[in-house]
Amino acid sequence: ETGVTQSPTHLIKTRGQQVTLRCSSQSGHNTVSWYQQALGQGPQFIFQYYREEENGRGNFPPRFSGLQFPNYSSELNVNALELDDSALYLCASRQGQGGGYTFGSGTRLTVV
Amino acid sequence: AQKITQTQPGMFVQEKEAVTLDCTYDTSDQSYGLFWYKQPSSGEMIFLIYQGSYDEQNATEGRYSLNFQKARKSANLVISASQLGDSAMYFCAMSRRTGANSKLTFGKGITLSVRP
Repeated sequence: ETGVTQSPTHLIKTRGQQVTLRCSSQSGHNTVSWYQQALGQGPQFIFQYYREEENGRGNFPPRFSGLQFPNYSSELNVNALELDDSALYLCASRQGQGGGYTFGSGTRLTVV
Repeated sequence: AQKITQTQPGMFVQEKEAVTLDCTYDTSDQSYGLFWYKQPSSGEMIFLIYQGSYDEQNATEGRYSLNFQKARKSANLVISASQLGDSAMYFCAMSRRTGANSKLTFGKGITLSVRP
């Protein structure tokens, strides 16, 4: 079975721009979560999707938005990028709403 | 709210020796899960071990074991027979067992360096 894949692996954007990060969940997984990990910190929960509906959100502003598609892949969109948005963005998937998560390798976003 | 505390500074261990990485947690939930993840420099979070709050036995996975002390709210990871490839960041995390918003709450992590 394939794991969680994220694209792109690295990205450089200018402050004020918009960015879209993509995630393909592990086969059979219908729940996807996104996390932001600043340098030297633990990951922080952004939001979670279950069967195409957002069913949990962390303390992130509305300019962080997402989608989950019928094949359970997902996108994270960030508008009006700020320098503090520079981080590793991790996607994680699992089957249902219980149990362990499988993580992707992340997208490293740099905002200049 | 859930909280994970990892306060150890960088840890060093000699190859082939055992090491314990500390984790304490706080939650008002009765049913929860505790996780340990390994993050090498590549960035991927690699799942190591899971302990459910109602599990009576401590979890073990190969060289990894979780020393779960519910009354003390601690979930320490023990790595036996350390290998050079174990050098990485280690994160303790927890979540509600099921349901919406069963997100993972992570600690700040511990850097482990294995010396040859």
